[in-house]
Parts: sequence; C-alpha cells; structure tokens
Amino acid sequence: DAGVTQSPTHLIKTRGQQVTLRCSPKSGHDTVSWYQQALGQGPQFIFQYYEEEERQRGNFPDRFSGHQFPNYSSELNVNALLLGDSALYLCASSLATGTEETQYFGPGTRLLVL
Amino acid sequence: RKEVEQDPGPFNVPEGATVAFNCTYSNSASQSFFWYRQDCRKEPKLLMSVYSSGNEDGRFTAQLNRASQYISLLIRDSKLSDSATYLCVVTVTTDSWGKLQFGAGTQVVVTP
Repeated sequence: DAGVTQSPTHLIKTRGQQVTLRCSPKSGHDTVSWYQQALGQGPQFIFQYYEEEERQRGNFPDRFSGHQFPNYSSELNVNALLLGDSALYLCASSLATGTEETQYFGPGTRLLVL
Repeated sequence: RKEVEQDPGPFNVPEGATVAFNCTYSNSASQSFFWYRQDCRKEPKLLMSVYSSGNEDGRFTAQLNRASQYISLLIRDSKLSDSATYLCVVTVTTDSWGKLQFGAGTQVVVTP
C-alpha cells in the first residue's frame, strides 16, 4: 500500500519564477492538504482540496494556487517566487469521513529560491 | 500571539529517564488534539491523538487540560530513537475541519 508521494524531492528556482509541486495521496484517501514549513517552524496550512475543489485556505497570498484531479492527486503552484518561499512543502492526505481526519504526510519537496 | 505555542527546547534527556513537556493553545473552540513526531529533514508522523481523559501508548502518555488550554506529552524510559522534534497539533473542527494548526515543535535529544 503506497503512502503519500511527492515530486520532485528538491527544487532550486530563482526569484520571479513559477513552480509546480505534485502529490499523490495514500491509496483510498480523497482529501489533500498542503503545508509550508520554514526552517525551525511548524508546518503552516496553505489549503485543502476535496472533490476537486479548494475547501478551505490558510493565510497565503493568491500567488499560491492548487488543483486536484479526478484521481485525487494534487498540484501546488506558486507564481512570482520570493526568497521567503524557500521552505519544505508538505502534502498530507486524509479520508473525508467521520469527525477526525487523521492526516498522513508525504516526504515533502524542498524548494530553494535564489 | 501564536495559536499553538511550544517550548522549543532542546530537552536533553539521559537514556532511560523521563521527559515531559507542554503545549498551549489559544482557541478555546479547539476540539481535536494530536502529537506528531518529526525527525530531522523528514515529514511529520502521527505519534498519538490526545483524548479528554488522557491516554497512553506504550511509553508515551498524553494529557489534555481544557480549562487551562494545554496538552502535555510524557515519555518514560527514553530511548536514543526518541530523539526528534515533537509537534503539538490542534484543530478547530467547527470552522476548519481538517486544517491542522501546528506548534513550532519541541526538540528532544536523548543522550547515552
């Protein structure tokens, strides 16, 4: 049973560029959440996708956008990259049933913006 | 004020000893509570959920104090493999179902 997978594992970009990160959820999961983790900080919620729609969003600018596909996989897009976007980007998947959504994290994508 | 606050540590613990640390949360409507473990340069992994009556999982004990708005984690008989950052996580189920709010983490270093 494959867990959450993310690609690429590492990425280097320059300021102003655009980046797309990808996530495949754990088998059987239908909900994908994205988090940004800066060095020395806890993960910060970016947004969550369910049934191909953004269900809720954290305090991130519109430069951060996403998409969920019919097979539940998801992409995170960041436009006009800033130095401060350098971080570990984590994808978490869960199953939208019940009252407690246990989220399982992928290994993350390390983004460095120069 | 941060929504979830933790002592960053590090807590240096001799192997076999007991260590405990807390996490405070600001939103009284918080309904679900978790401890995640994160190893260096790895993803967070769920350690345990925290229930109102407190709960144990082997050497790990979690407590919740709703009146004072804090949760705690106690590790007994510490192992070298317990060295990690422990992330406190809360959710406000009514308006942010599935949105995990993380603390910055407490680093634990178990020494031989």
